[in-house]
Amino acid sequence: EVQLVESGGGLVQPGRSLRLSCTASGFTFGYYDMSWVRQAPGKGLEWVSFIKSKAYGGTIEYAASVKGRFTISRDDSKSIAYLQMNRLQTEDTAVYYCRRDLGCSGGSCQDFWGQGTLVTVSS
Amino acid sequence: EIVLTQSPDTLSLSPGERATLSCRASESVSSYLAWYQQKPGQAPRLLIYDASNRATGIPARFSGSGSGTDFTLTISSLEPEDFAVYYCQQRSNWPYTFGQGTNLEIK
Repeated sequence: EVQLVESGGGLVQPGRSLRLSCTASGFTFGYYDMSWVRQAPGKGLEWVSFIKSKAYGGTIEYAASVKGRFTISRDDSKSIAYLQMNRLQTEDTAVYYCRRDLGCSGGSCQDFWGQGTLVTVSS
Repeated sequence: EIVLTQSPDTLSLSPGERATLSCRASESVSSYLAWYQQKPGQAPRLLIYDASNRATGIPARFSGSGSGTDFTLTISSLEPEDFAVYYCQQRSNWPYTFGQGTNLEIK
């Protein structure tokens, strides 16, 4: 069974840092692109960042709103994806979801999401 | 950045009725469009990928159509568990973007 478990969220003051982790199980982590998607309270979804599998060069992208402040990385040996968040701003307050890219079997595809971890940036 | 505009913002229907949700892209996304369902306190759930393909385990009452800039999600006969917020999402160009959501509520 595929599982993604986020951790590392919490209350942090503006300007401080936080590192989120996404621990995966039930699949070969290194084969898949991984992403972080966030949702501010009562708002819609925003794709924050993704990191491709090493087979696809490990390409990384960031949303403009976090570029230069957030860093995504992965440790395939531990099946963990990370999101290092620096210089946090109040507008970064959101539930952060970890997402595994589509995997296909028997002619159908599916992605997987964690349960989310809440990051609150406030003084 | 590709902007996705969903309509309507809110759709009020009764169980058993047909729901039609729309998503329009500011430029062509080819068929790289997905639909997600989200219920309060839950992560999004993939319904449709690449415009018209049902994701694993999704009931046949959900269907997607369209290409280029105009897309539709149809729920043929609403079940009580279908009342939720629905998002379209494109992966044609980075940044990947979501529509603002359609709230499907019970009439």
